Amino acid sequence: GAVVSQHPSRVICKSGTSVKIECRSLDFQATTMFWYRQFPKQSLMLMATSNEGSKATYEQGVEKDKFLINHASLTLSTLTVTSAHPEDSSFYICSASDTLAGGHEQYFGPGTRLTVT
Amino acid sequence: AQSVSQHNHHVILSEAASLELGCNYSYGGTVNLFWYVQYPGQHLQLLLKYFSGDPLVKGIKGFEAEFIKSKFSFNLRKPSVQWSDTAEYFCAVNHAGKSTFGDGTTLTVKP
Repeated sequence: GAVVSQHPSRVICKSGTSVKIECRSLDFQATTMFWYRQFPKQSLMLMATSNEGSKATYEQGVEKDKFLINHASLTLSTLTVTSAHPEDSSFYICSASDTLAGGHEQYFGPGTRLTVT
Repeated sequence: AQSVSQHNHHVILSEAASLELGCNYSYGGTVNLFWYVQYPGQHLQLLLKYFSGDPLVKGIKGFEAEFIKSKFSFNLRKPSVQWSDTAEYFCAVNHAGKSTFGDGTTLTVKP
């Protein structure tokens, strides 16, 4: 149980275009999902907390107009990188908490490698 | 704000050596503590977690960690490492559903 999927696993896009990444909890409901960014050889940096049915909460320094988050259902959150630039190239990871189990533990998706050319 | 500090950036051991990775956090309230592992090319996996109770927790693959509240520490240990333990290890602190990760420790085990 407690599986989180991400799609796509890899994406290459041209500078100036937008990319959407999906995060799904496959066998549990997730009121809250989290989006992280991981640079090579570095830790996970929390970008935003995605709440079902409400606006996401962004961490300091993260541009909410550039990284659009939508949490339309209890099993799906999307991250859209708008007008992507090469510096947005990174590994994006989502996680979800099992609401019914108390929400203390996070389950991580496999990540999406974004390359902006 | 909570923060997590992992003291060792890169650890190199020979097989069968004992391992201890340090993790300290700065938050005075109730927290949940985790160790995650990321094998090369794979996603994060949970090694073990501490919510409450016995401060010595055992996880998968022979790993264990001890929560010492007075030291704000949650060090990871394994008595005898294997080559397959080569990976990146992350300590994380969760408060109110929000996790903060340490910078990670790269463990290289030489066969």
